[in-house]
Amino acid sequence: EVQLVESGGGLVQPGGSLRLSCAASGFTFSDYWMHWVRQAPGKGLVWVSRIYSDGTDTIYADFVKGRFTISRDNAKNTLYLQMNSLRAEDTAVYYCARDARYRQDCWGQGTLVTVSS
Amino acid sequence: QSALTQPASVSGSPGQSITISCTGTSSDVGGNNYVSWYQQHPGKAPKLMIYDVSNRPSGVSNRFSGSKSGNTASLTISGLQAEDEADYHCSSYTTSSTWVFGGGTKLTVL
Repeated sequence: EVQLVESGGGLVQPGGSLRLSCAASGFTFSDYWMHWVRQAPGKGLVWVSRIYSDGTDTIYADFVKGRFTISRDNAKNTLYLQMNSLRAEDTAVYYCARDARYRQDCWGQGTLVTVSS
Repeated sequence: QSALTQPASVSGSPGQSITISCTGTSSDVGGNNYVSWYQQHPGKAPKLMIYDVSNRPSGVSNRFSGSKSGNTASLTISGLQAEDEADYHCSSYTTSSTWVFGGGTKLTVL
């Protein structure tokens, strides 16, 4: 069974940093692109970032460029999102999702990030 | 990249059909066939319901169908059932090699 489990969310002050993790199991992690998608409370889904299966290419939404870094460790079957210079508007549930040819076919349960003083 | 435009809410009675629209631009919905639809129940993760405009993943009911005309994609749910009540989100790959989602549509089954 394909499983994605996010962790690392929590309460952080504005300007602070947080690193999210997504542990993958049930499939060959190194074969797939991966994404981070977020959802602010009561709002819609917003795409954040994508990384190639081998980690050689990454791309970001404009609103996180220069602040967030997506990475992966294929030996550990784990996806990461390093988030720096956090703002109140970054408050959201962050989901990791597997890419299956330009669609996100499997999602984790999400981890909540709250940016507040 | 601006979000795709979806109606905030739609409703229908059991057994009826409803359609949710998703309007973008020639840089996303109108520029390729990588349009997807996701169902999300409260407090749950999104679930892929339609991909590549009109394809259903294994296990998804054939009551769900998708289509596209120009810059607007549509999700149709026929034979509405109580369990269909959820939020529905559209998504498209873009010409900038990014993805964009719609604002989501709340479906109420009356």
